[in-house]
Parts: sequence; C-alpha cells; structure tokens
Amino acid sequence: QSALTQPRSVSGSPGQSVTISCTGTNSDVGAYNFVSWYQQRPGKAPKLMIYDVTKRPSGIPVRLSGSKSGNTASLIISGLQADDEADYYCCSYAGSSSSVFGGGTKLTVL
Amino acid sequence: QVHLVQSGTVVRKPGASVTVSCKASGYIFTDYSIHWVRQAPGQGLEWMGIINPINGNTAYAQNFQGRLTMTRDTSTNTVYMEVTSLRSEDTAIYYCARGISTGGWDYWGQGTLVTVSS
Repeated sequence: QSALTQPRSVSGSPGQSVTISCTGTNSDVGAYNFVSWYQQRPGKAPKLMIYDVTKRPSGIPVRLSGSKSGNTASLIISGLQADDEADYYCCSYAGSSSSVFGGGTKLTVL
Repeated sequence: QVHLVQSGTVVRKPGASVTVSCKASGYIFTDYSIHWVRQAPGQGLEWMGIINPINGNTAYAQNFQGRLTMTRDTSTNTVYMEVTSLRSEDTAIYYCARGISTGGWDYWGQGTLVTVSS
C-alpha cells in the first residue's frame, strides 16, 4: 500500500487552532472508520492521541479532536500550547489485518 | 500497569537475521493483538505486521513478505519478531505496540535499535 499523505509541516501560535490532514484512498481511510493519530517527540515512542477517527484515550485533552470526510481524515488541535510541538502521524486500517501510516507532520508552535 | 519491554540494541551484518522480543505485562496477554512498527533514522513510521496472541495468526505488510516472521510464547507473554536477509535499509528502531480495536495502538515498547552494517 502507498503511505497516506500528510503535510510535511504545519505551524501556529499559542492559543490558535491547527488542522493536520491525512489523505488516503477508498481502500483505507475512505473504507474504514479506523483512523488513529500519534504524537512523537524526539527519541521517544509514538503516543496514541486519537483512535477510531474520533475517540480520545484516557488522559488526552478535549482540545484534540479527530474527524473524517471521504478519503481525508483530520486532527484538530485547538488552544495550541508549546508542549504540542512534535511530529504527528496518522494511520489507517487498510483491510486484511493491515495498516498504513502517513508520512508524518512536524508541528511547530511559533 | 501495562508494560511492553523489548530486547536491547543489536548490530548485524548484511544477510544475517535478527530477532527482537517484546514481553508484555499488566494485562491479559491473549486479549490484545501485538503489532510491530519500525522507523528508519530520520524517517516516518512503517507498519510491519500483526500477531494475534490467542492463536498465533499473523499478517505481514507486503514489503516484508518472506523475510518477516512473528511468533508468540503464551507461557512467558512474549512476542518475537524475526527479520531475515537483512540489508542496510533495515537499519531502524523497531517498536512493538498493543492493539486496541482495529484502529489504534495504546501501549508501545521502548523500541529496539537494529543496525545493519558490514
């Protein structure tokens, strides 16, 4: 499978909202409501932020949310904080027990 | 408290094989699938495959067909991931992760650096 498409970088000022898009196909993102988002800081393992498109694991603040329309999923971070600066990856189930990641987006808090 | 603890850093020569282990604790081992994900230096995440600890059923990414094998030992709650015919492009950090539903992995191992170099 081809990787999902994410912007290489996004940025925003503290307090603002940013949206990170994740575009796939009708064989992955468009076919299943199984999109997840991960935050990764340098030298650390990824951390689950959103799963099943919109669900937040325990401990993830409500200012992070997920959505999906057609073949594109989105991670929305509102009330941007300096601590949000990290790499973010989307991932989608792609059928037959397989999954595919996006290329990753570097979020910079200005 | 859920933990996934992986084996340590390894160095292999091209053409060799490597096995990385992932020991689970703090939950019922057979209740959750285990996935493997790798990350080459400075690159993004790549899904490798999944193993169902109940029956040992596996599914692998097409990129690894024929070179990747995942197994599990339910007596020690450990999953193993073996990659054969290593090449320099396999140099990466390898992570195991616990699957929750079909769409997310909530706990991750600390990662294992595998370096392939002559």
